[in-house]
Amino acid sequence: AQSVAQPEDQVNVAEGNPLTVKCTYSVSGNPYLFWYVQYPNRGLQFLLKYITGDNLVKGSYGFEAEFNKSQTSFHLKKPSALVSDSALYFCAVRDASSGTYKYIFGTGTRLKVLA
Amino acid sequence: DTGVSQDPRHKITKRGQNVTFRCDPISEHNRLYWYRQTLGQGPEFLTYFQNEAQLEKSRLLSDRFSAERPKGSFSTLEIQRTEQGDSAMYLCASSPSGDLGNQPQHFGDGTRLSIL
Repeated sequence: AQSVAQPEDQVNVAEGNPLTVKCTYSVSGNPYLFWYVQYPNRGLQFLLKYITGDNLVKGSYGFEAEFNKSQTSFHLKKPSALVSDSALYFCAVRDASSGTYKYIFGTGTRLKVLA
Repeated sequence: DTGVSQDPRHKITKRGQNVTFRCDPISEHNRLYWYRQTLGQGPEFLTYFQNEAQLEKSRLLSDRFSAERPKGSFSTLEIQRTEQGDSAMYLCASSPSGDLGNQPQHFGDGTRLSIL
């Protein structure tokens, strides 16, 4: 069975500092990994994905994520946080070998960037 | 840019009533997903369609829930005999089916259901 864990309910960071939001996953086969962001009373917006290839993937709004197969992690990062980055962030995984197009989402991490 | 549209945005109803939500996906997307999201949780998968075919349904989806996508365009999610525990945000998402399903999903803004 596939699963995703986001171990931190909330991450606080000062504006201008680097940020990391953690995600670990468990799948039987190869993972397709995604990060989404959600603002209040809105749906989720896609940030970036890892399918194959380079372990470091770059996405929207200056975000990037590093795929680490040995640690089964896909942490979201940004070199310099903005107050406008404050939102709820979700990691999601699909098992590419499962034959299903079902995605599993983590419980979310609230990012608060302090001015 | 016409994204995924959900209607209504909010629904308040009494316990025991039936409710129906509509989702209009991005027009060229042939995969459509329904999720349920409760406060403090991530989206929980309910079901998905490839065109008009419902290919997978979560065990979370009891017999009171049914979803349709009759012409492979818009979809409806119906909940019969609503219960307090059905109060949640219901999210719809769509994606194209190219590249073996590694395309990101585009989400609507959801329908918030409140059961009195």
